[in-house]
Amino acid sequence: EVQLVESGGGLVKPGGSLRLSCAASGFTFSSYSMNWVRQAPGKGLEWVSSISSSSSYIYYADSVKGRFTISRDNAKNSLYLQMNSLRAEDTAVYYCAREGHGPVVAVSDYWGQGTLVTVSS
Amino acid sequence: DIQMTQSPSTLSASVGDRVTITCRASQSISSWLAWYQQKPGKAPKLLIYKASSLESGVPSRFSGSGSGTEFTLTISSLQPDDFATYYCQQYNSYPFTFGPGTKVDIK
Repeated sequence: EVQLVESGGGLVKPGGSLRLSCAASGFTFSSYSMNWVRQAPGKGLEWVSSISSSSSYIYYADSVKGRFTISRDNAKNSLYLQMNSLRAEDTAVYYCAREGHGPVVAVSDYWGQGTLVTVSS
Repeated sequence: DIQMTQSPSTLSASVGDRVTITCRASQSISSWLAWYQQKPGKAPKLLIYKASSLESGVPSRFSGSGSGTEFTLTISSLQPDDFATYYCQQYNSYPFTFGPGTKVDIK
């Protein structure tokens, strides 16, 4: 069974940093691209960042470019999101999601339960 | 960046109704469109990919159509479990933008 479990969320002051983790199991993590998607309270979904299976290709939303860094450790089956210079508007539930293969290539076919990041003084 | 819009933003319907949600892209995305269902406090769930392909395990009352810039998600006979918010997402090019969502609630 595919499982994605996020951790690392919490309360942080504006300008602070936080590192999110996503532990993957139930599939060959090193073969899949992965995404971070966030959702501000009461708002819609916002794609944040994507990383290819070997970390060769990395993409960011303009809203986080230069402040957030996506990375992965295939030996540990883990995905990360380093968030620096946090702003109030970064407050959201952050989901990690797997990008599928074959017919569902590039589609987020499995999602974690999310971790809440709150940026407030 | 490709902008996605959805209509309506809210839809009130009854069990058994046929429901249609429209998603439009600001430029052609071919058929690179997915639909997700999200219930309060839960992660999104993939329903449809490549505009019209039903994800495994998703009931056949859900269907998708369209290509280019205009797409629709149809629920043929709304069930109690279907009251949720629905999002489209284009994956033609980065950033993979989502539509603003359509909330389907009980009339």
